[in-house]
Amino acid sequence: NAGVMQNPRHLVRRRGQEARLRCSPMKGHSHVYWYRQLPEEGLKFMVYLQKENIIDESGMPKERFSAEFPKEGPSILRIQQVVRGDSAAYFCASSQGLAGGDEQFFGPGTRLTVL
Amino acid sequence: QKEVEQNSGPLSVPEGAIASLNCTYSDRGSQSFFWYRQYSGKSPELIMFIYSNGDKEDGRFTAQLNKASQYVSLLIRDSQPSDSATYLCAGRGTGGFKTIFGAGTRLFVKA
Repeated sequence: NAGVMQNPRHLVRRRGQEARLRCSPMKGHSHVYWYRQLPEEGLKFMVYLQKENIIDESGMPKERFSAEFPKEGPSILRIQQVVRGDSAAYFCASSQGLAGGDEQFFGPGTRLTVL
Repeated sequence: QKEVEQNSGPLSVPEGAIASLNCTYSDRGSQSFFWYRQYSGKSPELIMFIYSNGDKEDGRFTAQLNKASQYVSLLIRDSQPSDSATYLCAGRGTGGFKTIFGAGTRLFVKA
């Protein structure tokens, strides 16, 4: 399967715990985006990364959230000290990073539930 | 202020009809626009992208872009019940790869 992979698909955490969400981009893609989707709402941009670089994190909450895309391995979205309001679907998308019509392809998402 | 706006619907059309989905955007510098389909509980699936004024056709789908009016639309011909989903419009603004999504329009195609 050469598509975007995310794991885990479902994650349950208690308030105050840490959540780590992983994303492996599509083969040949070097650009990764993270989005959050609340029930019945659209996708909210969080962060855009290339290998070893955060390009745009304007959608990330200032506290508790961080993202990385190391030289080797998947991109990781980390949420520290989770609260109930963090419960959402988190989607990762990847692209080739071409200018103009640069299509993003989405992974299956991680559904985070904070108890 | 929202940057990409869509009518949330639901939009209901009979099977075989044309479904027309509309989207407006506020960033005049936006260059590229995308339509995604999202089934309930699933991830968004890219249908089409468009970045030139005019129409772009792909099978039963036609995307239309009018940059002067800051308007993007998606037409679905011969609508099928399997087209029932939420359709997300997205635009890429100036200066980079950040993509802004609308809240989506729910489409119901009645058999």
